[in-house]
Amino acid sequence: DVKVTQSSRYLVKRTGEKVFLECVQDMDHENMFWYRQDPGLGLRLIYFSYDVKMKEKGDIPEGYSVSREKKERFSLILESASTNQTSMYLCASRRTGLGETQYFGPGTRLLVL
Amino acid sequence: QQQVKQSPQSLIVQKGGIPIINCAYENTAFDYFPWYQQFPGKGPALLIAIRPDVSEKKEGRFTISFNKSAKQFSLHIMDSQPGDSATYFCAASIAGTYKYIFGTGTRLKVLA
Repeated sequence: DVKVTQSSRYLVKRTGEKVFLECVQDMDHENMFWYRQDPGLGLRLIYFSYDVKMKEKGDIPEGYSVSREKKERFSLILESASTNQTSMYLCASRRTGLGETQYFGPGTRLLVL
Repeated sequence: QQQVKQSPQSLIVQKGGIPIINCAYENTAFDYFPWYQQFPGKGPALLIAIRPDVSEKKEGRFTISFNKSAKQFSLHIMDSQPGDSATYFCAASIAGTYKYIFGTGTRLKVLA
């Protein structure tokens, strides 16, 4: 069965802190994604990685960075958290190929105070 | 051009009703249209998907209707049940790219 796990379900951080969100998939997928989900805005792509050590900016990369040192793990880093980064963060993975499905993790709800 | 416009934002139907959620797009290069279902506290899960070479696809009680000339597609849920209460997202992607463009979501509530 497909499994995407995220390190935390809920996280509370202070403004200016460095925040790490971890995502692990066990399906040997090449592609991994980080989205943020906000009411009325749907899912917006922050960064994606199409292979180990490869990354590309999504639609809203400002204030974020990512790391993919191993195929199964994709980390999202908030270098200096701000209150406008309070959101639900979703990780997804998929196999390379036409029409392949994106599988999502359960999400991390981040509150920045 | 890259947007997918989804409506309505929220929908309430009685059990057994047929809720319809609509999505519209501009970019004719989109060639894959999945629908995702998300329950509270969970990540989105793929429900059903369609390519533009077919006008309709059914999986169980869920049907996608696709109108290529109007650049619109919609999700119909037959005989809706309270367990279908969730947020539904449409999406679109371009062949050879990794990106999905998501609609803004529809919160569906099915009353018992």
